[in-house]
Amino acid sequence: QSVLTQPPSVSAAPGQKVSISCSGSNSNIGRYYVSWYQQLPGTAPKLLIYDNNKRPSGVPDRFSGSRSGTSATLVITGLQTGDEADYYCGTWDNSLSSGVFGGGTRLTV
Amino acid sequence: QVQLVESGGGLVKPGGSLRLSCAASGFTFSDSSMSWIRQGPGKGLEWVSYILNSATAMFYAESVKGRFTISRDNAKNSLFLQMNSLRAEDTALYYCARRSSGDSHAFDIWGQGTMVIVSS
Repeated sequence: QSVLTQPPSVSAAPGQKVSISCSGSNSNIGRYYVSWYQQLPGTAPKLLIYDNNKRPSGVPDRFSGSRSGTSATLVITGLQTGDEADYYCGTWDNSLSSGVFGGGTRLTV
Repeated sequence: QVQLVESGGGLVKPGGSLRLSCAASGFTFSDSSMSWIRQGPGKGLEWVSYILNSATAMFYAESVKGRFTISRDNAKNSLFLQMNSLRAEDTALYYCARRSSGDSHAFDIWGQGTMVIVSS
């Protein structure tokens, strides 16, 4: 049981848009920046979004993030088959004094 | 180039010990806080432990507290995870990752992982 809650899977057609939610509480998302990671099959996770809505250099602007209260959302537009991957949200939790991740969402394009 | 390379994984019996290492290069290791994050077979990411750049504070997941110890050697650009009293549920791919600077709790650099299998 993950501290942050994500849908197990989402799907959409190529070219479409998809949103992935991440729900937490006042001790994690409500207090700290959220980050998102993309994990392609057989590879290490890659930072996609940090500080709720910032993109590292090299990440296409098709990927965007937002936070509202105790929830965060990753939006991917112009879906490509290469976006098929597992996506994780993460942050810090001050009640646990530990990092926390969502359970992950598998995107099918 | 910027990279993290983990080593030290392997097969160990329940109750046994292993020491994982992570060699950093391409960035100022002594300025970076670091973490260990694991992923069980077919499972999601699980945060394991975190150490400040100065090694003045360490944090652990409840599932490993009292059994695992994180440490670092800034002179050798290395991060370590001493794992004792290993259990079957510790079986996972262990990644070391760098925490982004500032107030961010993001991990911007990841290694490729080292596999730990706990089995009799």
